[in-house]
Amino acid sequence: DAGVIQSPRHEVTEMGQEVTLRCKPISGHNSLFWYRQTMMRGLELLIYFNNNVPIDDSGMPEDRFSAKMPNASFSTLKIQPSEPRDSAVYFCASSPRVSGANVLTFGAGSRLTVL
Amino acid sequence: GIQVEQSPPDLILQEGANSTLRCNFSDSVNNLQWFHQNPWGQLINLFYIPSGTKQNGRLSATTVATERYSLLYISSSQTTDSGVYFCAAPRGAAGNKLTFGGGTRVLVKP
Repeated sequence: DAGVIQSPRHEVTEMGQEVTLRCKPISGHNSLFWYRQTMMRGLELLIYFNNNVPIDDSGMPEDRFSAKMPNASFSTLKIQPSEPRDSAVYFCASSPRVSGANVLTFGAGSRLTVL
Repeated sequence: GIQVEQSPPDLILQEGANSTLRCNFSDSVNNLQWFHQNPWGQLINLFYIPSGTKQNGRLSATTVATERYSLLYISSSQTTDSGVYFCAAPRGAAGNKLTFGGGTRVLVKP
């Protein structure tokens, strides 16, 4: 398996622009997570899907952020409009459904810079 | 929610040295994981260890769930061990949403 695939790896955009980050989880994994990493706040869980359904989006910072999972092999995280404080590395992770345990496998991350 | 604290925050090792990293968590857990973030930013899952001891090469981990801590041992450290080590524990009984500690930044010098 190629692992969790994220794109783009790097994105530089200007304030106010729309940003879309993409994720392909490992085939057969039923859970998908979006995390954000910053120096100030560390790794934060933004949203979590199980079987393509959003279960908990309480970590999404505000309405400018949205996430979708239209099928088992694809998810997007969208920021509209983007702001400089959104600059961070965004990670997608997936896990199999193993009797209550979830061993996370992370993608390589998408580094976002908003100017 | 659960609090996850790691110590020390920074660690400098001479190649070949051994070391222990600690993770304390505030609530009972059924899922404790250790990750290594390499200097290129990639997060690699090292251990899933809700209790007991596991070994993977030069690394081993022990979780004492009743006392709410986990330890990661690095033996005969190599420069490739450099990076940040995170532990993560779940929020809530479901065990599906991990809260990460602040990490231990390790630098192994040749």
